[in-house]
Amino acid sequence: EAGVTQSPTHLIKTRGQQATLRCSPISGHTSVYWYQQALGLGLQFLLWYDEGEERNRGNFPPRFSGRQFPNYSSELNVNALELEDSALYLCASTSRDRGGNEQFFGPGTRLTVL
Amino acid sequence: QQQVKQSPQSLIVQKGGISIINCAYENTAFDYFPWYQQFPGKGPALLIAIRPDVSEKKEGRFTISFNKSAKQFSLHIMDSQPGDSATYFCAASSSGNTPLVFGKGTRLSVIA
Repeated sequence: EAGVTQSPTHLIKTRGQQATLRCSPISGHTSVYWYQQALGLGLQFLLWYDEGEERNRGNFPPRFSGRQFPNYSSELNVNALELEDSALYLCASTSRDRGGNEQFFGPGTRLTVL
Repeated sequence: QQQVKQSPQSLIVQKGGISIINCAYENTAFDYFPWYQQFPGKGPALLIAIRPDVSEKKEGRFTISFNKSAKQFSLHIMDSQPGDSATYFCAASSSGNTPLVFGKGTRLSVIA
């Protein structure tokens, strides 16, 4: 069974630009979570998509947005990039038949904002 | 109330020794407590998880101890090996499909 995949692996942008990150969940998983892992701050919840709908968002500004497609893959968009957006962005997927708690993470996208 | 506090920040253990990492939480609605292992350049990997209906869960060399009244849980790694050197995160969430709240991580180094 293939795991969660994310692309690109690395992304370098300049301040003010937009970044788009992509995630494909494990086959059969319908929920996708996005987390930000900034240096020294641990993992912080960003967004949660389930069955194509945004279910919850963390304490991040509206310039962080995303969507989930009919095949349950997901996209995270970060507009008006700021230097402090530099971080590892992790996607995790889960399924309801596992109780919805067990989250499996992808390798992440390393975003660097210059 | 959403925080999960993890300690220590870093830990050095001799090969063959026991590594112990502790976490504490405030939110009594939390009922799922996983531990993740993360190697440099990789995403976190689910190691072991526990629910409050048991006080201990063991999988191989990894054991979670859970104290519901104290709102604390810990990871014990028995016979620690250099290959266990990684960053470990505790987390917590409520029933069903909800976001995980993570501790800040513990960097474990196992030295020969």
